[in-house]
Amino acid sequence: KAGVTQTPRYLIKTRGQQVTLSCSPISGHRSVSWYQQTPGQGLQFLFEYFSETQRNKGNFPGRFSGRQFSNSRSEMNVSTLELGDSALYLCASSLLDPETQYFGPGTRLLVL
Amino acid sequence: DQQVKQNSPSLSVQEGRISILNCDYTNSMFDYFLWYKKYPAEGPTFLISISSIKDKNEDGRFTVFLNKSAKHLSLHIVPSQPGDSAVYFCAASVGNDYKLSFGAGTTVTVRA
Repeated sequence: KAGVTQTPRYLIKTRGQQVTLSCSPISGHRSVSWYQQTPGQGLQFLFEYFSETQRNKGNFPGRFSGRQFSNSRSEMNVSTLELGDSALYLCASSLLDPETQYFGPGTRLLVL
Repeated sequence: DQQVKQNSPSLSVQEGRISILNCDYTNSMFDYFLWYKKYPAEGPTFLISISSIKDKNEDGRFTVFLNKSAKHLSLHIVPSQPGDSAVYFCAASVGNDYKLSFGAGTTVTVRA
């Protein structure tokens, strides 16, 4: 069974630009969560979607947004990029609960 | 403000010996705790969890201990194997929710 896929894997942007990251969950998984990982900070929760609805939201500014489509695929958008947005962005999909959460390999974003 | 802290960024242990990873949390509302393991270029994978109604949970070589009064949990790996070399993240949530708070991770190196 295919795992969680994230595209693109690597991305370079400049300050002020916007970026859209994509996540395809494991077939049948309806929950998709997004995390930001930076050195020394661990993973920080961005948001979680279930059946196209945002169920949970972390403490990130409004520049970070997301959505989920009817096929459970999810996108995350960051507008007006800042240098501090450089990070590994991880997506995870789940069938039942956080224990059954499977992570993708991440998208590494570099903001110059 | 980081609510989950892993104060040891790295740990080196000899093969066959015990690895002990520690995690402290500040939010007394947390009642569900998980450990994840992450290899380079891969997303984290779920390892073991414990709810606040227990003080110990065991799964093969992995045991998690929870001390609610001290707001402290630890992961014991016995015996340590070379394949255990990875980054280990501690995470916590309120009510087994997807909104997980992660620690910064501990890099474990198992020496032959």
